[in-house]
Amino acid sequence: NAGVTQTPKFQVLKTGQSMTLQCAQDMNHNSMYWYRQDPGMGLRLIYYSASEGTTDKGEVPNGYNVSRLNKREFSLRLESAAPSQTSVYFCASSGSTYEQYFGPGTRLTVT
Amino acid sequence: GESVGLHLPTLSVQEGDNSIINCAYSNSASDYFIWYKQESGKGPQFIIDIRSNMDKRQGQRVTVLLNKTVKHLSLQIAATQPGDSAVYFCAENRGAGSYQLTFGKGTKLSVIP
Repeated sequence: NAGVTQTPKFQVLKTGQSMTLQCAQDMNHNSMYWYRQDPGMGLRLIYYSASEGTTDKGEVPNGYNVSRLNKREFSLRLESAAPSQTSVYFCASSGSTYEQYFGPGTRLTVT
Repeated sequence: GESVGLHLPTLSVQEGDNSIINCAYSNSASDYFIWYKQESGKGPQFIIDIRSNMDKRQGQRVTVLLNKTVKHLSLQIAATQPGDSAVYFCAENRGAGSYQLTFGKGTKLSVIP
């Protein structure tokens, strides 16, 4: 099992460009999450999907959209990147327990 | 404990000593708490969890203590090793039965060989 995988690992964007961060899990988990991590700020929830076909806003959803493509995949889209979106993005998934399993992260820089 | 602003609290411990990392949580309705370890450049990894109907839980070299009266959580690491050097996050669920987690800002543990 690969667990939670994320692509790309690194990305540099110019202000105004768009991109999609991909996440997939092979643990048959119902719930998936997108977080951002900024220095000294811990992890903040952007969006989550409690089950296939549903998505909900988290703490910091502005500037992002998500798609739960199927049970395995949950993507995060930045339509018009801003320097304030420079961060490390983590995808996570959870099954019937509260424990969330995290991917390795995507380091995004917006110039 | 929890950080303010951009500066993570740091705990420096001699190899072989015990470490205690503290966390204050805010939601009295939370009924699940979890500790994660994050090594540099990696995603958070589960260490140990505890439900609100318990006040102590032990794992391999780790113990979590929960004091609901003062909304305080602690992680104790026995015989700290260099491989324990990382940032440690506590998290609580957002209310009874909620699967969403709210994370603390983290504490950096440095182990001195």
